[in-house]
Amino acid sequence: GQNIDQPTEMTATEGAIVQINCTYQTSGFNGLFWYQQHAGEAPTFLSYNVLDGLEEKGRFSSFLSRSKGYSYLLLKELQMKDSASYLCAVRVGFSGGYNKLIFGAGTRLAVHP
Amino acid sequence: DTEVTQTPKHLVMGMTNKKSLKCEQHMGHRAMYWYKQKAKKPPELMFVYSYEKLSINESVPSRFSPECPNSSLLNLHLHALQPEDSALYLCASSKGALSGRRTDTQYFGPGTRLTVL
Repeated sequence: GQNIDQPTEMTATEGAIVQINCTYQTSGFNGLFWYQQHAGEAPTFLSYNVLDGLEEKGRFSSFLSRSKGYSYLLLKELQMKDSASYLCAVRVGFSGGYNKLIFGAGTRLAVHP
Repeated sequence: DTEVTQTPKHLVMGMTNKKSLKCEQHMGHRAMYWYKQKAKKPPELMFVYSYEKLSINESVPSRFSPECPNSSLLNLHLHALQPEDSALYLCASSKGALSGRRTDTQYFGPGTRLTVL
């Protein structure tokens, strides 16, 4: 089966650092994506990991350990606009010119002043 | 430009109506996707088209009928829906085989908020 776990909700203070964890057990693994989704809007792509280690992109970093089935998204210098849901998605298939993502339930992050 | 557009933004329909959702991208992507998302839940894959051919149907009821008339357009035809089909319907696209496998990121449209009465 496919199982992707993330905390349901997190709160943090403006200017702080927050780490959102994601663990996965999937039949197949071909990369892990993080998306940000504001309420009622489309998910927007944040980061992608396929090899172990840390990928850094400005205020956002994402880490992957394939042997542990574990990833995290690190958000630094939090801003109020970072209040959103963060979706972890595992690519479980890639063939014939398309890819298949399985999404976790998402972590709702609330940033307070 | 990573824009995927969807129309309409909102749609209210009765259980006997027939309506269509439209998705468009001009990024040259060859894979297009339909997802359904209920409130506070993750997106669930419904259909995948690759090079205008249906590649995945995730056992979606036949009251949902996808169509890919060309590489830029994706439609979802709706007929005899149930109130539990009310959700946000998201379209996404990715480069597909052109991407060289490495990322092939899916880019999402803003969605159509569907309410079935």
